[in-house]
Amino acid sequence: ETGVTQTPRHLVMGMTNKKSLKCEQHLGHNAMYWYKQSAKKPLELMFVYNFKEQTENNSVPSRFSPECPNSSHLFLHLHTLQPEDSALYLCASSQAGASGNTIYFGEGSWLTVV
Amino acid sequence: QKEVEQNSGPLSVPEGAIASLNCTYSDRGSQSFFWYRQYSGKSPELIMSIYSNGDKEDGRFTAQLNKASQYVSLLIRDSQPSDSATYLCAVNESEGAQKLVFGQGTRLTINP
Repeated sequence: ETGVTQTPRHLVMGMTNKKSLKCEQHLGHNAMYWYKQSAKKPLELMFVYNFKEQTENNSVPSRFSPECPNSSHLFLHLHTLQPEDSALYLCASSQAGASGNTIYFGEGSWLTVV
Repeated sequence: QKEVEQNSGPLSVPEGAIASLNCTYSDRGSQSFFWYRQYSGKSPELIMSIYSNGDKEDGRFTAQLNKASQYVSLLIRDSQPSDSATYLCAVNESEGAQKLVFGQGTRLTINP
């Protein structure tokens, strides 16, 4: 069981489609993240939100558009993706401002772009 | 470019032996260090965190940190087949928001 839930768990989309990934955390945290995990590459930080405000955009292409309506919910809107965007997308949360606190990951959304 | 380096493996260890996983990092100012375990097809889960030089033990797991050498390791005693997974080393880049930089992971296989 995880305090961070992601939907959908699996998504197949065409390059012209528009879809969204959803994340919800039930841990009372105030920071949320999107990470990308591709085969044979380290986990890559994409976006960071603190108290609903985006504090980090790690040079992510604009075809990925995050949205954070409140501290418990995070979305990743996807449009005109490329096959190389196929990866596991992980949402995470933590209590920002508390030194040494831990990031907790959701189960991830497996994305395949065809 | 802040980096975290791990040997990608695979590392094979017989059941009951000690598995030793190593990690080096480039940012000398890093303060928080984490080991995550990731089973195939699953998300990473936290195994250990360490913030001070020395050893930290939790059950069969021991994390070791040497900030002078910019080196962090994870020892798994009495290895079990269920320990077979990829182990990710992560280093916190900043206070406040946790901007973890991950290594590419070491794939560990425990042989019965």
